[in-house]
Amino acid sequence: ETGVTQSPTHLIKTRGQQVTLRCSSQSGHNTVSWYQQALGQGPQFIFQYYREEENGRGNFPPRFSGLQFPNYSSELNVNALELDDSALYLCASSRYSEAGELFFGEGSRLTVL
Amino acid sequence: SQELEQSPQSLIVQEGKNLTINCTSSKTLYGLYWYKQKYGEGLIFLMMLQKGGEEKSHEKITAKLDEKKQQSSLHITASQPSHAGIYLCGAGPSGGSNYKLTFGKGTLLTVNP
Repeated sequence: ETGVTQSPTHLIKTRGQQVTLRCSSQSGHNTVSWYQQALGQGPQFIFQYYREEENGRGNFPPRFSGLQFPNYSSELNVNALELDDSALYLCASSRYSEAGELFFGEGSRLTVL
Repeated sequence: SQELEQSPQSLIVQEGKNLTINCTSSKTLYGLYWYKQKYGEGLIFLMMLQKGGEEKSHEKITAKLDEKKQQSSLHITASQPSHAGIYLCGAGPSGGSNYKLTFGKGTLLTVNP
């Protein structure tokens, strides 16, 4: 059973740039959720994708966008990066019927300078 | 919106000691999830509680949800260095089609050998 994998693991960007983070779901899972975790905080829900459509969104601006592909992998795109976007971005996959039991990847650590 | 408060924020124990971490919700819990996170890494699902008074155990970790479904505790018996990490509680939504988890800020556990 392949777990959730995320890439890149670390990246540094400057303010105003754009970034794309990638996530491969665990096999058998059809739902992908993205969370942002700032230092010393719990993860904050960004959005969830099911059947290639956004299935709920947290309190994040439209410059945070995503995609889910037919193989259930996913991308998180962030435009016009701000310093406060510096965080650990976590992808989690699940079965839609068991959506609270999330399987997380190791995360992508984004630093915005 | 639902808020989860965890206590204590951090905890240092000697190997072999028992400990308890608490999670208090501002609203009734319809699903309470415990996760463990190694610093800067992804979260690992531990347990899910749904019914008032429910109690679950896995190895040396026991989680309980109170009858009023507003507070949960996580108890570790005979702690080991492998128990060290950040413990996060997450609350499921009370309704809606998307399943986002709202997390507390976490409790940092250090176990000294």
